[in-house]
Amino acid sequence: NAGVTQTPKFRVLKTGQSMTLLCAQDMNHEYMYWYRQDPGMGLRLIHYSVGEGTTAKGEVPDGYNVSRLKKQNFLLGLESAAPSQTSVYFCASSRQLAGFDEQYFGPGTRLTVT
Amino acid sequence: AQSVSQHNHHVILSEAASLELGCNYSYGGTVNLFWYVQYPGQHLQLLLKYFSGDPLVKGIKGFEAEFIKSKFSFNLRKPSVQWSDTAEYFCAVNEDPNNDMRFGAGTRLTVKP
Repeated sequence: NAGVTQTPKFRVLKTGQSMTLLCAQDMNHEYMYWYRQDPGMGLRLIHYSVGEGTTAKGEVPDGYNVSRLKKQNFLLGLESAAPSQTSVYFCASSRQLAGFDEQYFGPGTRLTVT
Repeated sequence: AQSVSQHNHHVILSEAASLELGCNYSYGGTVNLFWYVQYPGQHLQLLLKYFSGDPLVKGIKGFEAEFIKSKFSFNLRKPSVQWSDTAEYFCAVNEDPNNDMRFGAGTRLTVKP
């Protein structure tokens, strides 16, 4: 099993450009999450999904959109990138809600917005 | 919203030294507690978790953590660290029954051989 995979691994954007990050999991998990990790701030939840076709806002959702059209995939979109979105993005999945179960993380995507 | 504090940002130890990493949270109700670890170049992975029962929890690779409710703490310990324990360690806390899980800022551990 590949677990949780993310593409791309690295990306550089100019301010105002858009992009989509793809997360895929092969563990048949219902729950999927997108986090951002910034120095000195730990991981902060952007959006999450409790099942195919459903999404919900996390702690820092502004400037991001998500979609979960298939159970195994969770997409994170930046419509108009800003330098403040420079960060490392992690996707995760779990059988139950994150606070009640182990999360499985992807390798991360390092995004730089210039 | 609750907060999770990891006061040690960077800890440097020699091999065989004992380790204790602090984690404190602000929520006064029932909590579920986690420690995750990120080894260099690897994914974050679960080290241990506490939901209920014995407040002394044992995890993988010889790590353990103790939940002290009166101190709002869930400190991570290991009696003798190895070079391979060099990693970043994250504490995470969820307010039960809410779904509001928060991570601490992380503690970078460097173990010198």
